[in-house]
Amino acid sequence: DIVMTQGALPNPVPSGESASITCRSSKSLVYKDGKTYLNWFLQRPGQSPQLLTYWTSTRASGVSERFSGSGSGTYFTLKISRVRAEDAGVYYCQQVREYPFTFGSGTKLEIK
Amino acid sequence: QIQLVQSGPELKKPGESVKISCKASGYTFTDYAMHWVKQAPGKGLKWMGWINTYTGKPTYADDFKGRFVFSLEASASTANLQISNLKNEDTATYFCARGAGTLFDYWGQGVMVTVSS
Repeated sequence: DIVMTQGALPNPVPSGESASITCRSSKSLVYKDGKTYLNWFLQRPGQSPQLLTYWTSTRASGVSERFSGSGSGTYFTLKISRVRAEDAGVYYCQQVREYPFTFGSGTKLEIK
Repeated sequence: QIQLVQSGPELKKPGESVKISCKASGYTFTDYAMHWVKQAPGKGLKWMGWINTYTGKPTYADDFKGRFVFSLEASASTANLQISNLKNEDTATYFCARGAGTLFDYWGQGVMVTVSS
């Protein structure tokens, strides 16, 4: 199985600052079609996860431009610009390159 | 609007079975896959597998082969998850999520299943 390893954040992050979350995969997530199959989700407290980005850097419908995904191969980053209180929660990366789809262990973001 | 509405919380004893449902609305049910995701209390997300809503063919992650069954009531735009011979470690919230290709773009609200004697 592909193992997804997420980094931690220096919580709490002051409102208005930027935050970057790292995610590393144990195998390249590039598929033969050239796409890189990495999703990012935010799970706010008590809520279901929400898709933020897919194919590494494509924002999902309705997601703020403050969220930007980047990376390639096995190393990925989600950057949140000008953090707000509503961005608080746990962020998960997920590989959908091959079965079984696997998630990282999550990165908690707290806002000051 | 697109919605996935799941059934209510369940309290079961070890060895019993449970069936939870995920009713879709706002789109053509058979055009998208349905994934199932487990979240134990205070823990992260774990993908259980998915079901092809057009053919009914399920695919299970290794940890969910045997006691877990994905099924459909396509006429009712509903996907079901049945867990038999429940164990304490099955205590978790179970989410359904629509699969648009490899995008998990809409999620149900989750069903809390508690297994306790």
